[in-house]
Amino acid sequence: DIVMTQSPDSLAVSLGERATINCKSSQSVLYSSNNKNYLAWYQQKPGQPPKVLIYWASARESGVPDRFSGSGSGTDFTLTISSLQAEDVAVYYCQQYYSSPRLTFGGGTRVEIK
Amino acid sequence: EVQLVESGGGLVQPGGSLRLSCAASGFTFSSHTMYWVRQAPGKGLEWVSVVTSSGGNTYYADSVKGRFTISRDNSKNTLYLQMNSLGAEDTAVYYCAMRQQVDHPLGCWGQGTLVTVSS
Repeated sequence: DIVMTQSPDSLAVSLGERATINCKSSQSVLYSSNNKNYLAWYQQKPGQPPKVLIYWASARESGVPDRFSGSGSGTDFTLTISSLQAEDVAVYYCQQYYSSPRLTFGGGTRVEIK
Repeated sequence: EVQLVESGGGLVQPGGSLRLSCAASGFTFSSHTMYWVRQAPGKGLEWVSVVTSSGGNTYYADSVKGRFTISRDNSKNTLYLQMNSLGAEDTAVYYCAMRQQVDHPLGCWGQGTLVTVSS
């Protein structure tokens, strides 16, 4: 199974500042046939199911604010919130769907306001 | 509008059984692979099981293999998860979810149903 490792476990960022979350996969999630990374980022707020923010490592889901961006390839990925807003307080998860239909999630990163 | 509504959760004793259901609407259910994902209280997300659109292929996480059975009834637009030999480690919110497009992540989720295993 592909293991997804996120860091840090939590971070506190001031409003308007940048938040950066890292995700590392135990093997590459890049499909050479289409040059796409099968890596997604989700946001989960208390009492709600997860919501997709980013797919294919860097494609923003429709309706997601452009302060959210994803980058990386192969085994190392990053989610960046360029200017943290109060409504961004949540837990963020990376997930690989390279080995679909088997999926694996990272352990999550809690983002709070400093 | 795509909707997934889980039901069937509740309190069950260790060693007991429970069947979860997920009623789907707003899309062609029989065309989509369906997933169960769970989340223990205060913990992260764990993929549990998946069934292909026809029901012909099923896959399970090692943590539930041999105890849980995923199935679907395409005539009723409903997904199921039969859970047997439940232990405290199975206490979680169980979500059903789907991908709305091929090669995309889980873009649609239900609100979840809570399963509590306790004596």
